[in-house]
Amino acid sequence: SQTIHQWPATLVQPVGSPLSLECTVEGTSNPNLYWYRQAAGRGLQLLFYSVGIGQISSEVPQNLSASRPQDRQFILSSKKLLLSDSGFYLCAWSGSSFSNQPQHFGDGTRLSIL
Amino acid sequence: EDQVTQSPEALRLQEGESSSLNCSYTVSGLRGLFWYRQDPGKGPEFLFTLYSAGEEKEKERLKATLTKKESFLHITAPKPEDSATYLCAVPPGTGRRALTFGSGTRLQVQP
Repeated sequence: SQTIHQWPATLVQPVGSPLSLECTVEGTSNPNLYWYRQAAGRGLQLLFYSVGIGQISSEVPQNLSASRPQDRQFILSSKKLLLSDSGFYLCAWSGSSFSNQPQHFGDGTRLSIL
Repeated sequence: EDQVTQSPEALRLQEGESSSLNCSYTVSGLRGLFWYRQDPGKGPEFLFTLYSAGEEKEKERLKATLTKKESFLHITAPKPEDSATYLCAVPPGTGRRALTFGSGTRLQVQP
């Protein structure tokens, strides 16, 4: 069966520091991968998606970037964190067809910027 | 633009008290609908996919149904461990990649 791992679970970082969140998927090949942010009391906002190694698409302009160095590894990064980057970050995967397939989420990373 | 609305926003039940959660949607062509469960501090856990009106899916005390305009998540004889936020979502439309989620129903089941 497929599993998705995200780490760390929680992170407290000072403003201006760099960020690296990692996500890996097991039990499937060539998945579509996603990074979402969930703000308190609000819905999930798609930040990035990837259909393959090195292929990244951004949904919204922001201070963050994403990379996919391996088929089942997805990384969310920032060179300098802003206060507004605080939130709950979720990685997800789906089969290699966008339509009509559910996305499966990791347990998320709670990021607090001080 | 796809829209998903869930009601009620919050629901408190006694253990064993059955009820239903509603998810109404407006989409350009029904492409299916997903139900998720989210526990505090965790990511959404996939529960069901419904693809066509009239379809039903069951898992333990949960049953999801779908019509052309809405979906219901029926909870039969709930237990305290069913307490969570339940989210529904529709798949992305043509050229889009993000699921469109409703705002969720926070369910609390008291013993």
